[in-house]
Amino acid sequence: QQQVKQSPQSLIVQKGGISIINCAYENTAFDYFPWYQQFPGKGPALLIAIRPDVSEKKEGRFTISFNKSAKQFSLHIMDSQPGDSATYFCAAGSGPDTGRRALTFGSGTRLQVQP
Amino acid sequence: EPEVTQTPSHQVTQMGQEVILRCVPISNHLYFYWYRQILGQKVEFLVSFYNNEISEKSEIFDDQFSVERPDGSNFTLKIRSTKLEDSAMYFCASGGSGTLQGAFFGQGTRLTVV
Repeated sequence: QQQVKQSPQSLIVQKGGISIINCAYENTAFDYFPWYQQFPGKGPALLIAIRPDVSEKKEGRFTISFNKSAKQFSLHIMDSQPGDSATYFCAAGSGPDTGRRALTFGSGTRLQVQP
Repeated sequence: EPEVTQTPSHQVTQMGQEVILRCVPISNHLYFYWYRQILGQKVEFLVSFYNNEISEKSEIFDDQFSVERPDGSNFTLKIRSTKLEDSAMYFCASGGSGTLQGAFFGQGTRLTVV
């Protein structure tokens, strides 16, 4: 019940295309859903996050879509660039203050954006 | 921009030895974490720490692990008797209060147990 399932495992997109990564969760207590970007040899970096009281959040080229009834959320990267090539992790947490939350991570998606 | 710093970046240790991984969280953060990532796998939660005590721990965080905040700035993870399967990247993270601030991760310490 604590798992967060992420797909696809890997993704190849042409420069300028849209990258879409999907996640699904079971635990209805989760109420905080961040996405992290990780480059090789680096720590995960917080990219964008959403709470379940909204269905979509956009920051620049990155958009989270959230479907509470389906318990699914996704990351869309518009106009994908070679510099976006990295591993992306969805995560979920629950409780007060988002900084206080232990996170359950998805298995990661390795994105490759071809020039 | 404030960041979480971890030392060392790479630690090689003999099986059965004790290791201490060190972290300096972001200065005004209140919540501290250790996560680990076995090569090529997902990031796994180990332990959270708040108000000088453990808030939550996972099944991975057994008796060989301990955490400490010995002063106002450092946060450490001690592994008492390392095993081969402890080889992983260990990430420290810290978080502040706020609705969407989230947790910020350090660069990690790669632990290799031989």
